[in-house]
Amino acid sequence: KNEVEQSPQNLTAQEGEFITINCSYSVGISALHWLQQHPGGGIVSLFMLSSGKKKHGRLIATINIQEKHSSLHITASHPRDSAVYICAASNYGGSQGNLIFGKGTKLSVKP
Amino acid sequence: NAGVTQTPKFQVLKTGQSMTLQCAQDMNHEYMSWYRQDPGMGLRLIHYSVGAGITDQGEVPNGYNVSRSTTEDFPLRLLSAAPSQTSVYFCASSSGMSSYNEQFFGPGTRLTVL
Repeated sequence: KNEVEQSPQNLTAQEGEFITINCSYSVGISALHWLQQHPGGGIVSLFMLSSGKKKHGRLIATINIQEKHSSLHITASHPRDSAVYICAASNYGGSQGNLIFGKGTKLSVKP
Repeated sequence: NAGVTQTPKFQVLKTGQSMTLQCAQDMNHEYMSWYRQDPGMGLRLIHYSVGAGITDQGEVPNGYNVSRSTTEDFPLRLLSAAPSQTSVYFCASSSGMSSYNEQFFGPGTRLTVL
């Protein structure tokens, strides 16, 4: 069983829809990262969180430590949001060498 | 700042050939790492370095060597390429070892081994 599971694997949405991507982890963590991989391949960091909720523009990330679950929400989705979204868990006491990545969720937003 | 740069962008090798994937960063980051990304799998750590002269193995180190002689550069060497090393390789850096440090990724190198 993978230690970091994402769902869904693939997601197609219409422009303007509210989108939720889920991430569950089975390890103890000190931080949970959300990353975005563009169609061209580049990867950028969106959020790091260890508790609660963070918001940046139309993106919102939440985490529930007790349930070992995090969600990434996109409000008013747009075709430019089409990308692969990856969550990664960092173990307690670990360096970033101990990031464990999910397999990613491929999002496609249709105009 | 150029951030994290990787060369080459694409490479085709024959089995048994050797090559070096280059990675450089201009942010004075201490922590650098190499990942490979394969279809249907998450990014997997190959090697990492916490500073010049210090390297360590990650999850999938076999077939790869690294060294870190300067803060800026962290090359990845394939000594004898195998088809199983066909993958997309990403270099990343961050300012420290903390789980809370943002990682900055290079654009990736797509390697095919025939």
